[in-house]
Amino acid sequence: NAGVTQTPKFRVLKTGQSMTLLCAQDMNHEYMYWYRQDPGMGLRLIHYSVGEGTTAKGEVPDGYNVSRLKKQNFLLGLESAAPSQTSVYFCASSYRGGTEAFFGQGTRLTVV
Amino acid sequence: DAKTTQPPSMDCAEGRAANLPCNHSTISGNEYVYWYRQIHSQGPQYIIHGLKNNETNEMASLIITEDRKSSTLILPHATLRDTAVYYCIVRVFYSGGGADGLTFGKGTHLIIQP
Repeated sequence: NAGVTQTPKFRVLKTGQSMTLLCAQDMNHEYMYWYRQDPGMGLRLIHYSVGEGTTAKGEVPDGYNVSRLKKQNFLLGLESAAPSQTSVYFCASSYRGGTEAFFGQGTRLTVV
Repeated sequence: DAKTTQPPSMDCAEGRAANLPCNHSTISGNEYVYWYRQIHSQGPQYIIHGLKNNETNEMASLIITEDRKSSTLILPHATLRDTAVYYCIVRVFYSGGGADGLTFGKGTHLIIQP
């Protein structure tokens, strides 16, 4: 049972490059989330989705875009990476908004 | 503004009960208390949640005071694998179509000593 899978696990980008992080869940969950975690800090919500074809902004959405074309996938895009986006990115999913959230193992992104 | 206050770190001896406190004095009537933990930079893991009654599952117990202004997470027999950062989160339980994310503070770093 895979749960929530994030791809890639590690990535180094140069400033100005673009990339897409993929999150896939096999639990048929409606809700999906993208968070970032900086050193010594808690997680902060970037964007989330309450169903296929819908997205919404979280606490720190600037510099990121998302898409939810398929229910099982939630993509996070960086159009022009900046060093301030160096972080660990976590994806999560849940059946409903208040139910248990399942997290992926994270993507460690470094922007140089 | 932070909705919860937790001590930054705690120690507990292996085999003992670990009691992690959380203050949430501004909690609203429709907000639940959730606990998650994060082991060594892995993705956070759900532990338990509750509204006003005490809750217990295979991982832990959650004790919420009668005025709901504070709560305690209890790990009954702590092991070395319970060393982690524990997050207490207050949020609305969306049973229908609403949603927002979890607001994580800095949590409590629980260290289980052998």
